[in-house]
Amino acid sequence: NAGVTQTPKFRVLKTGQSMTLLCAQDMNHEYMYWYRQDPGMGLRLIHYSVGEGTTAKGEVPDGYNVSRLKKQNFLLGLESAAPSQTSVYFCASTNGLAGTSYEQFFGPGTRLTVL
Amino acid sequence: DQQVKQNSPSLSVQEGRISILNCDYTNSMFDYFLWYKKYPAEGPTFLISISSIKDKNEDGRFTVFLNKSAKHLSLHIVPSQPGDSAVYFCAASAKFGNQFYFGTGTSLTVIP
Repeated sequence: NAGVTQTPKFRVLKTGQSMTLLCAQDMNHEYMYWYRQDPGMGLRLIHYSVGEGTTAKGEVPDGYNVSRLKKQNFLLGLESAAPSQTSVYFCASTNGLAGTSYEQFFGPGTRLTVL
Repeated sequence: DQQVKQNSPSLSVQEGRISILNCDYTNSMFDYFLWYKKYPAEGPTFLISISSIKDKNEDGRFTVFLNKSAKHLSLHIVPSQPGDSAVYFCAASAKFGNQFYFGTGTSLTVIP
């Protein structure tokens, strides 16, 4: 099992460019999440999905869109990148409701720089 | 507004001694708490968790304590080893909620 994988690992964008980050999991998990990690800010939830075809906003959703067309994939899109979106992005998945004994499994991260 | 707080950005401990990492939360609806460990250039990995029906959970060298009245949890690592040097995040979730809320992390350095 590969667990949670993220593509790409690194990316540099110019302001205004668009891109899509791909997250894939092979654990048949229902729930998937996108976080960003910034210095001194911890992990902040961008968007999440509780099943195929569903998405919901997290703490910091502005400037991002997501899609969950297949259960194993969760895509994060930046339509018009801004320097404030320079961050490390983590995808995670879990097979239970928050509040049960299921931990999240994280991908290795994507380091994005917006110039 | 940060619902989960880790007020110590860093901690240094001698090898073999106890490491105590602290976490405070503000939301009384949180009922499940987790600790994650993160090495540089890797994603966080799950370490240990505790439900609000318990006040202590042990797993080998790692013990998590929960004080619900104080809205405080702590992670004890004993004995500390150099391989424990990492950033530790605490996280919390609410019953029937779909989200996990993370603290800002504490960077632990275990000195050989």
